[in-house]
Amino acid sequence: SAVISQKPSRDICQRGTSLTIQCQVDSQVTMMFWYRQQPGQSLTLIATANQGSEATYESGFVIDKFPISRPNLTFSTLTVSNMSPEDSSIYLCSCDRDGGYTFGSGTRLTVV
Amino acid sequence: GENVEQHPSTLSVQEGDSAVIKCTYSDSASNYFPWYKQELGKGPQLIIDIRSNVGEKKDQRIAVTLNKTAKHFSLHITETQPEDSAVYFCAASRADAGKSTFGDGTTLTVKP
Repeated sequence: SAVISQKPSRDICQRGTSLTIQCQVDSQVTMMFWYRQQPGQSLTLIATANQGSEATYESGFVIDKFPISRPNLTFSTLTVSNMSPEDSSIYLCSCDRDGGYTFGSGTRLTVV
Repeated sequence: GENVEQHPSTLSVQEGDSAVIKCTYSDSASNYFPWYKQELGKGPQLIIDIRSNVGEKKDQRIAVTLNKTAKHFSLHITETQPEDSAVYFCAASRADAGKSTFGDGTTLTVKP
């Protein structure tokens, strides 16, 4: 399966600012996925990112709040915009390689 | 859309005993069922998966069973060890859709 490098691993941000999270995959993958995991809870899909097209967002998530870039088949970024304390969560990227889903190690975001 | 229910939410076993976690899904089109282990501060790690054309799959102390008719699948861990303590998530997806729907997680504690 693929290896994903995700950064930053954690950050503390002021409300109203934005944070961009990066994921680098060690091989080319068609689809990448961005998830949010609130403390003690399960994973919720934010959006699916395909190279060369706009990301597909799940219900409850919008592009203005969570813009995503997918410039090539090994890289993607998720930006959390105009942050509020409710955005404090763990954000994870994932991809499917050879039939197995791999996750990055996550970005633990705290908004103060 | 897909809905995945996972039980129990917490499970405590004695070292050496077996642990079983069960999940049900709603979308009969789902055909890929992975299980993830998430340790504190880390991203989910794929530990075993099963596809809908198979009824059971085993990998050393871990096994997964799938009942397509009843739409449920289970994770079995035998001879549990303290290092098996973690949160376990089941998921369901359609291989052509890529994205997964996750269960709420089971916190497994193995007591030495």
